[in-house]
Formats: sequence, C-alpha cells, structure tokens
Amino acid sequence: DADVTQTPRNRITKTGKRIMLECSQTKGHDRMYWYRQDPGLGLRLIYYSFDVKDINKGEISDGYSVSRQAQAKFSLSLESAIPNQTALYFCATSDSWTGGSYNEQFFGPGTRLTVL
Amino acid sequence: AQSVTQPDIHITVSEGASLELRCNYSYGATPYLFWYVQSPGQGLQLLLKYFSGDTLVQGIKGFEAEFKRSQSSFNLRKPSVHWSDAAEYFCAVGGPYKLSFGAGTTVTVRA
Repeated sequence: DADVTQTPRNRITKTGKRIMLECSQTKGHDRMYWYRQDPGLGLRLIYYSFDVKDINKGEISDGYSVSRQAQAKFSLSLESAIPNQTALYFCATSDSWTGGSYNEQFFGPGTRLTVL
Repeated sequence: AQSVTQPDIHITVSEGASLELRCNYSYGATPYLFWYVQSPGQGLQLLLKYFSGDTLVQGIKGFEAEFKRSQSSFNLRKPSVHWSDAAEYFCAVGGPYKLSFGAGTTVTVRA
C-alpha cells in the first residue's frame, strides 16, 4: 500500500465550485505539505503544517485553504475554483527536523485538477 | 531567500550516452540539496540527497551528484543513460522548514 495517498486522482470541475483534495499518510510523519505543479514552473508550496495545530502559508496560498484533521490527514480546499487553478497538486510528508539531518519529503501520486 | 535554477528546460540524449543536468542554488546557510525524478504520470521519487560530508553523492538508478560550494551547484550525472531515464528531473534546496524546487529539466532519450 502507498505511504502517501491522494484523493481524487483526477477531477474536473467548473468555475466557482468548491473543491477539496485530500491527503492521507501512513508514514507517521509530523509534517505535511501541499504543492502545485505547473509546466515550466516546477513545484510551488501552497501550505505546510508541522503538526495538527501548526499551519503555515507557502508562497502561493491565495485562493486556497487547508485543514489538518489529524496527524495523518491534510486537506486542501479551493473555496471558489478558477481556471488558473488548473494544475497538478501534490501532497508530501516529512519527519520532524532532527539535529544535523534534514529529512526528505515523500510525495503522493498527485491530483490532476481541471477547472473549466 | 532560497531558490533553485535549472538552466536547461529540455535535454535530448542518446541511449548509452552520458547525461549531466545542471542545478544552481541560492541559500543563506549550509544547503540541504535533493534531486527528484518524475516519470510520466507519476509522483516524485527521490534520487539522491546531500546534507554534509563527501561532496560526491551516489543515488539510485546509477545517478550521482556533486556538490560544489564555490559554484553554488549540485549537478546530476549518469554515465550511461537508459531509455527508462526519460523523465522530468527536479533539483531542490531546503532548510529546516521547507524545500524550494527548480522549474525542472525534461530528459528525452533517443534510441
């Protein structure tokens, strides 16, 4: 079974609709992240969470919100979707910072979102 | 601020030939550096990482990368490319809180 899962894997929606993308992990990691990938721009960080009560904005948080329902679950919402939010969305997890060692991020398979 | 530049958007290489992907970073302290690969329709898989120590890092699938502090570079290499190496490759730099990714380099392998 995959360690980081995302649902749905594909979604087509219309402008103005509310959309929620979900991420679950079985790695036991404290930290979770949401990224969007656009051609030619790489991955850009939307939100990140270091534990259930710690949520932080990334570089492109406008138009998005998140909820950390539990250590293992981190959801991304688009309150009113617009076409330029069409992208590939990735969830990632990492362990807590430990002195002298930065723990790499583990990625889910991605959700392809199309907003018409 | 941390950032990554991957100067090559697209590279085409013949199967069996060598491959080098360039990565330049900007980071205010000792960088933590990563290379990820994304095969078509797939998520990101970690190829290798550098935290400290030996500046030549070995990764999976026969890849290696060399950290050069004086050049702020972390270039990825493979001596002999296989058709299955066709993918998009991302360099990333990070500290305690988050990673910043480059725009990616797409590698096409021709027979």
